[in-house]
Amino acid sequence: ETGVTQSPTHLIKTRGQQVTLRCSSQSGHNTVSWYQQALGQGPQFIFQYYREEENGRGNFPPRFSGLQFPNYSSELNVNALELDDSALYLCASSLAGGGYTFGSGTRLTVV
Amino acid sequence: GDSVTQMEGPVTLSEEAFLTINCTYTATGYPSLFWYVQYPGEGLQLLLKATKADDKGSNKGFEATYRKETTSFHLEKGSVQVSDSAVYFCAHRADSGYSTLTFGKGTMLLVSP
Repeated sequence: ETGVTQSPTHLIKTRGQQVTLRCSSQSGHNTVSWYQQALGQGPQFIFQYYREEENGRGNFPPRFSGLQFPNYSSELNVNALELDDSALYLCASSLAGGGYTFGSGTRLTVV
Repeated sequence: GDSVTQMEGPVTLSEEAFLTINCTYTATGYPSLFWYVQYPGEGLQLLLKATKADDKGSNKGFEATYRKETTSFHLEKGSVQVSDSAVYFCAHRADSGYSTLTFGKGTMLLVSP
């Protein structure tokens, strides 16, 4: 049974650019959630996808968007990057209502 | 709104000392409660959980009891090890609607030999 895999592990982008982060969910999990963890803070909920539909969103602007694919993998897209978007982005997968399995995260630095 | 409050760190202990990390929450209904651990440079790992009042979650010597009357879920370990050094996050998940996790800010634990 594979866990949650995120790619890339690290990347550096320039302010104003766009970025796509990827997540492969754990086998059998149909729900994917994304979290942003700023340095020294707890993870903050961005949004969640269940069977390819967004079914929940936290307090993040529309330039944060996502997709879930038929194999339940997911992407997080961020447009018009700002310096404050620098953070660790965590993906978690689960069966609806079940426990969450987290990936190791993508460390995004915006310069 | 829903929130989780943890004691601020870092918590610095000597090996074999007793550990308590306080956690309180605000939530409607009967949320599930969790402790996650994050080692340097890594993602989150579930340490333990409790899904209803008076439940005790336990794992690797860590314990936490779901206290609804005090809305608390304090993490304890009787004898810490150097390898327990990490950041610990308390979290809850609502019992209705789409279920996501609300995290506290985390508490860093540093254990010295």
